[in-house]
Amino acid sequence: NAGVTQTPKFRILKIGQSMTLQCTQDMNHNYMYWYRQDPGMGLKLIYYSVGAGITDKGEVPNGYNVSRSTTEDFPLRLELAAPSQTSVYFCASSLQGESYNEQFFGPGTRLTVL
Amino acid sequence: KNQVEQSPQSLIILEGKNCTLQCNYTVSPFSNLRWYKQDTGRGPVSLTIMTFSENTKSNGRYTATLDADTKQSSLHITASQLSDSASYICVVGRLDTGRRALTFGSGTRLQVQP
Repeated sequence: NAGVTQTPKFRILKIGQSMTLQCTQDMNHNYMYWYRQDPGMGLKLIYYSVGAGITDKGEVPNGYNVSRSTTEDFPLRLELAAPSQTSVYFCASSLQGESYNEQFFGPGTRLTVL
Repeated sequence: KNQVEQSPQSLIILEGKNCTLQCNYTVSPFSNLRWYKQDTGRGPVSLTIMTFSENTKSNGRYTATLDADTKQSSLHITASQLSDSASYICVVGRLDTGRRALTFGSGTRLQVQP
């Protein structure tokens, strides 16, 4: 199993540009999550999904959108990039809800918005 | 407010020495507490998960303790190795519907020197 994979590893965007961060898991997990990690801060939940076709907001959803058309994929969309979105983004998955189940994280995408 | 505080922020030790990292939390109602290891440029990897009824759990040279009464946890690393150099993140789960139920600490950065 590859686990959770993310692409790209690095990206530099200009203010106002758009991009999609890709996330795929091959563990047949129901739950998937997007976090951002700012320097010196704990991970913050952006969006999560409890299954295909179902998504919900986390703590910091503004400026982002997600979709979950399949169990395996959970892309994160930035529509109008802003410098405040400079961060490292992690995708994660778990078999069931994260409060009771181990989460598996991808390697991260480092995004810089200039 | 649900918070997780970790100390120290950073720590340097010599290879072969032991160390202890601390985690204090105010998350309520408590469900579980996890310790993750995050290597530079990688996603977090789970070390231990403890529920309310567990006060210690080991994973090789890593031993986590939990005092649910004082809302404190520690992670003890025995006979440190260079590969232990990483950030260690304490995560507390809230007894909830399973949604948006995790609070992440900002981590302790450990550097093991030869």
